[in-house]
Amino acid sequence: GDSVTQMEGPVTLSEEAFLTINCTYTATGYPSLFWYVQYPGEGLQLLLKATKADDKGSNKGFEATYRKETTSFHLEKGSVQVSDSAVYFCALVSSNTNAGKSTFGDGTTLTVKP
Amino acid sequence: DSGVTQTPKHLITATGQRVTLRCSPRSGDLSVYWYQQSLDQGLQFLIQYYNGEERAKGNILERFSAQQFPDLHSELNLSSLELGDSALYFCASSVDWTAPHGYTFGSGTRLTVV
Repeated sequence: GDSVTQMEGPVTLSEEAFLTINCTYTATGYPSLFWYVQYPGEGLQLLLKATKADDKGSNKGFEATYRKETTSFHLEKGSVQVSDSAVYFCALVSSNTNAGKSTFGDGTTLTVKP
Repeated sequence: DSGVTQTPKHLITATGQRVTLRCSPRSGDLSVYWYQQSLDQGLQFLIQYYNGEERAKGNILERFSAQQFPDLHSELNLSSLELGDSALYFCASSVDWTAPHGYTFGSGTRLTVV
C-alpha cells in the first residue's frame, strides 16, 4: 500500500536558519503530493502541493519539488521565523484509486527560537 | 476560518457511551473525509463520502459509522466508547472524489473518553 516517511522530529532551529524536512513516499502510479501545516490547537492547512513529476510547489517562502526518481518531496525554507513553529505533515493521494483518501506521514514538529 | 465547520469542538464522555460528531464541508465541496489523529498512530483515514455515497473506507471500527446527508453535511457516530477512542477527529472536504489538489480541514473535535 501507499506510505509516506518523514524525517523524525522534533526539529529546533534559530530564527533565519535554513529548514529542510525530508519526505519520501511509496505509491503506485503518479500520486499528488502535499505538505500540510498544523499550528497548535488548529486543524491542518494545506501549505503547498505538486501534482506531477518535477513540479515545484511553493507558498509563504516554503518550497518542495516532486522528485519521481528519488520518490521524494522535501520541504525547504530559506529563512524560518518564530511564527513557522508548527507540525508539518507530508501526504499523498494516489492516482490509482477512484477515491481521494490521503496517506499522511507522522508529522515533524518544528520549533523556531528567537 | 477554513470554511469546514466541525461541532462540537470538545466532548467529554464516559466509556460505553455514544456520541455524534458533525461536519459541514466548505461551500461547493462534495466530498467529506473523516480522520482520527492520536499521539501514537498519527492521522488515520476513517471514511470518505462523496455526494451522499460512501466512496472509500479505511480502518474504521465496526463501532463507528458515518453518513452524508442531502445537504452534504456529515455525521460520524461513535458508540460503545472505549478509553482508546480518545483522540482528535478531523473532517476534511474537497470538490471532487479524488482530491488531486488536497483537502480543506476543519478545526477538529477533541474527544475525551473517561
